[in-house]
Amino acid sequence: DAGVIQSPRHEVTEMGQEVTLRCKPISGHDYLFWYRQTMMRGLELLIYFNNNVPIDDSGMPEDRFSAKMPNASFSTLKIQPSEPRDSAVYFCASSSGTSETSYNEQFFGPGTRLTVL
Amino acid sequence: KNQVEQSPQSLIILEGKNCTLQCNYTVSPFSNLRWYKQDTGRGPVSLTIMTFSENTKSNGRYTATLDADTKQSSLHITASQLSDSASYICVVRSMGGGNKLTFGTGTQLKVEL
Repeated sequence: DAGVIQSPRHEVTEMGQEVTLRCKPISGHDYLFWYRQTMMRGLELLIYFNNNVPIDDSGMPEDRFSAKMPNASFSTLKIQPSEPRDSAVYFCASSSGTSETSYNEQFFGPGTRLTVL
Repeated sequence: KNQVEQSPQSLIILEGKNCTLQCNYTVSPFSNLRWYKQDTGRGPVSLTIMTFSENTKSNGRYTATLDADTKQSSLHITASQLSDSASYICVVRSMGGGNKLTFGTGTQLKVEL
C-alpha cells in the first residue's frame, strides 16, 4: 500500500482565496482524521470521520473550514476564504477502527504545507 | 483539562550519545500512550505504544517507560545516530468514547557529528 496520500504537498495562496486540500486514506481503513500543525500549538485535531460520516468536528476553528468525505477513498478539507493565520501544515491520517482502549495506530500522510499571503 | 507536556523543547547531542525525552500528562482516564517520531517534512510515525500495565517497551534503540502513578513517560534513545534527528511527539489517549487524543508539542532532537 502506498500509505496515506495527500495533495498538494505545498500550496501558496493569497488571502481571501479558496483552498482545497485532498486526502486518500489507506485502503480498508474506516477512520480518517484531519490535523493542523503549527510551531506554537503542535498537532491539533480538526475533524474525524468514521465510515465517511463526520463524528467530531469540534476542532474546526470556524465556519471558513469545511471537510467532506464523499466515499471511503477520498476526503477534502476546504478553507474559504483563507487567511494568513491559516498558514500551517495540514495532515491527514487514517486508522482501522478505534475503541475506548484502542491500540489502533493512526497512519499519517506527508502533509500539505499551506502558506496564505 | 487534559494536557501533555514534553521536555526539553529542543535538544542537541553528539552522535553516539544517549538521551532521554520526558512526557508528563494529566489525561484521565488513561488508555494508552504513544511516542511518535516526525522527520522534517514528513508525517509522524509511531515508535511505541504503552498501556496502563506496561512499564517498559523497546523498539530497537528506542526504549519507552511509563509510570502510570506519576503520569510520566520517557523515551530513551541509545547510541544516537544522525537519522534520529527529528521531532518526538508524545500522544495520550483517554477512555470514554470517541477518539480522545491529546498531543504534546514535541521535543526537537538534533544529532550532530
